[in-house]
Parts: sequence; structure tokens; C-alpha cells
Amino acid sequence: EAAVTQSPRNKVAVTGGKVTLSCNQTNNHNNMYWYRQDTGHGLRLIHYSYGAGSTEKGDIPDGYKASRPSQENFSLILELATPSQTSVYFCASRASSYEQYFGPGTRLTVL
Amino acid sequence: GDSVTQTEGLVTLTEGLPVMLNCTYQTIYSNPFLFWYVQHLNESPRLLLKSFTDNKRTEHQGFHATLHKSSSSFHLQKSSAQLSDSALYYCALRDSNNRIFFGDGTQLVVKP
Repeated sequence: EAAVTQSPRNKVAVTGGKVTLSCNQTNNHNNMYWYRQDTGHGLRLIHYSYGAGSTEKGDIPDGYKASRPSQENFSLILELATPSQTSVYFCASRASSYEQYFGPGTRLTVL
Repeated sequence: GDSVTQTEGLVTLTEGLPVMLNCTYQTIYSNPFLFWYVQHLNESPRLLLKSFTDNKRTEHQGFHATLHKSSSSFHLQKSSAQLSDSALYYCALRDSNNRIFFGDGTQLVVKP
């Protein structure tokens, strides 16, 4: 069974603070993704990666950075968090068949 | 550019009635992959079914869909809705850059 985990599961941050969301996968998949989910907007792609050391901008990268230090780990970094970044964030890894396996999500609230 | 359109944001129907959730897409890629993902409340999205073969019906867990390249459609159907089908459904496309691009989602509510 494909496994993607995320930490933390819930996070409350202050405006202007730094937030790091972590994702780990044991699927040995090359491709990993970060999405945010907001009502009315579906799943929007923030950053993605083709493998260790690679990060690419998705559709809404502004205000976010990503890091892929290893095959297993993919982080999303908010250097200066803003209330507009309050959302649910999902990490996913992608199989060669193009099926994506999602983590459980992180609920981020920026006050 | 590539896009996925799900025309209904919310579909409400009575248990036992048929389900049809619409999905159309736009892509320059001649061999698109289409997907349906389902997300139940407080869970993460998971794959329901997928297809890249034109005019071939794909089935899983009582749902089915057929990719029609002629009309750029991949509608999700089920003959009889169950209460447990209530969820958020996403249609998705493998775009020309090999990314998976999601539609805005359709919330399905099945009432007794």
C-alpha cells in the first residue's frame, strides 16, 4: 500500500512567521506535489518535484518555496505567512501509471 | 492552455437515482489521461478510476466513465446512488507537461 505522511496535521501560525510543512513518502516515487485546497477552487498546484534536488513552480507558487532533499521528503516553506495562506495543504506522490497518492493533509491557520 | 471543466459545483439527488457528474477537458496533447478522484469528508482524495483509451468504458466500485476524445468528455456515472456516495469528486487530466491538472470539483450530496 502506497504511503504518504504529512506533518504537522494541524498548524496555527502568526502573520509574518515562517512555516514548514513536511511530507514523506515510502513509495519510491520520483514525482511529488504540493496542493492547497480551498472551497470553490479545488486542488491547486503550488510546487512539484521530479526527484531529489528538483523543484518546479506550479500554478500558484507565489509566497511558497519547496525543498526536495531526498527521494522520500518534500517540504513546503512559507517564509512570511499571511492570512490568505490559511488552507488545507495536501502532499502527493505519483506512480508511473500517473495515479497520485495523497497524504492526509495539513490544516494551516494563519492569524 | 490545458484545462478541466466540471460544470456543477453541487449535485443533490435522492438515494436510488442515477448519478452523472460532468467533466470536459481541453488539451493539446493527443493522448490524454483522464481521472476521477473521490474525497470523502475529512479524508484525502483517492483515485476512483482512470482512462486513456478512447471510447472504452472504465468501471470501479459501481461507477463508470468513458473517455470520448471526439467531445473531450469523461463523465462519471452510476446507475443508483447510495448515501455513502456523498463526497467531493474531482475530474483530472494529465496535461501536456505531464502534470495532473484538477477541475474545481463537484460536491455530490445523496439524500434518503
